[in-house]
Amino acid sequence: DAGVTQSPTHLIKTRGQQVTLRCSPKSGHDTVSWYQQALGQGPQFIFQYYEEEERQRGNFPDRFSGHQFPNYSSELNVNALLLGDSALYLCVSSLLDMDSSGNTIYFGEGSWLTVV
Amino acid sequence: RKEVEQDPGPFNVPEGATVAFNCTYSNSASQSFFWYRQDCRKEPKLLMSVYSSGNEDGRFTAQLNRASQYISLLIRDSKLSDSATYLCVVNVYNQGGKLIFGQGTELSVKP
Repeated sequence: DAGVTQSPTHLIKTRGQQVTLRCSPKSGHDTVSWYQQALGQGPQFIFQYYEEEERQRGNFPDRFSGHQFPNYSSELNVNALLLGDSALYLCVSSLLDMDSSGNTIYFGEGSWLTVV
Repeated sequence: RKEVEQDPGPFNVPEGATVAFNCTYSNSASQSFFWYRQDCRKEPKLLMSVYSSGNEDGRFTAQLNRASQYISLLIRDSKLSDSATYLCVVNVYNQGGKLIFGQGTELSVKP
């Protein structure tokens, strides 16, 4: 059973460009959340998708957008890239009604984005 | 004020030492609490959940004090392999299961 898969694993973009990151959740999971982790910081919540809709959003500008497909996979899009967008982007797969054990939350290995 | 705050690091300790990490959270609606471990350039991995009754897993002990909104992690008999960043994480149910992370505390265990 595959866990959470993210692609690409590493990429380099130029300021002003656009990027799309992809995530396939663990089989059976219906909820995908995206986090941004800058160097030396903890992950910061970007948004969460369930049933193809954005359920919740963190404090990120509209340049950050997303999508969830009927198969529960998800994309994170960032437009007009800034140097400060350089970070590890983590996809988290879960069930909407997750228990309190933490064992139903699965992280992908992340996508490293460098903006130059 | 950050929603989840951790001790600033790094912590540099010799092998065999006992080290304690502290964490405070601001949202009283917080429902679930975790410690995650993150190795350099890797994704976070669940170390243990934290319960009000306290819980232990081998050399690791976690405590939760809801009244003080405080979480701790104690590592006994530190090993070189414990070197990593430790993240305090809170889940607030009325925020739809969003995970809120502390900034992490780096631990370096030296021979």
